[in-house]
Amino acid sequence: AQSVTQLGSHVSVSEGALVLLRCNYSSSVPPYLFWYVQYPNQGLQLLLKYTSAATLVKGINGFEAEFKKSETSFHLTKPSAHMSDAAEYFCAVTQSGAGSYQLTFGKGTKLSVIP
Amino acid sequence: KAGVTQTPRYLIKTRGQQVTLSCSPISGHRSVSWYQQTPGQGLQFLFEYFSETQRNKGNFPGRFSGRQFSNSRSEMNVSTLELGDSALYLCASSLASDSPLHFGNGTRLTVT
Repeated sequence: AQSVTQLGSHVSVSEGALVLLRCNYSSSVPPYLFWYVQYPNQGLQLLLKYTSAATLVKGINGFEAEFKKSETSFHLTKPSAHMSDAAEYFCAVTQSGAGSYQLTFGKGTKLSVIP
Repeated sequence: KAGVTQTPRYLIKTRGQQVTLSCSPISGHRSVSWYQQTPGQGLQFLFEYFSETQRNKGNFPGRFSGRQFSNSRSEMNVSTLELGDSALYLCASSLASDSPLHFGNGTRLTVT
């Protein structure tokens, strides 16, 4: 079984400040990990993915995440927040090589950016 | 390239009715998955289809069903609607196993 825990359902940062959204996973096999973003009334957009290559993964819109196996973490960061980053962010896990795509999502973290 | 298209965007139904939601994947994508999103339960996996075959199913009652056509388009059906079925239903497609999911904008179903 696999699971994802996102610490903090709401995070507020000032514009220009560091964004840090936390994600811890549980998986019995090597995982594939993802971060998705959801804007109001829209679907999910892929920010970045980890599939057992480099542990530091760079995504779109200046986001990156680091896979730390020893901590079972995959935290999302961005050096400087923009107003346009305000959205809900979801961490997700699936089993590598499962042959079928079934994502397990965290509960999401709503990011607010204060001007 | 067109993205994943879901129709309709909004639906209002009454308890006991049934509903069919439609999803057109990105051209060339053969895998289609469905997810239910609610404020309380978050995003939950419903099922996944590949080449017209259901490969995986989440923990939902049999009232939830789906199918995939030869052109990869997919439909999901919910029968005997309950108030708790009110949710955003998201469809996602992927090129192959281990490829990222691309999501549509969803169908928001309200059951009254």
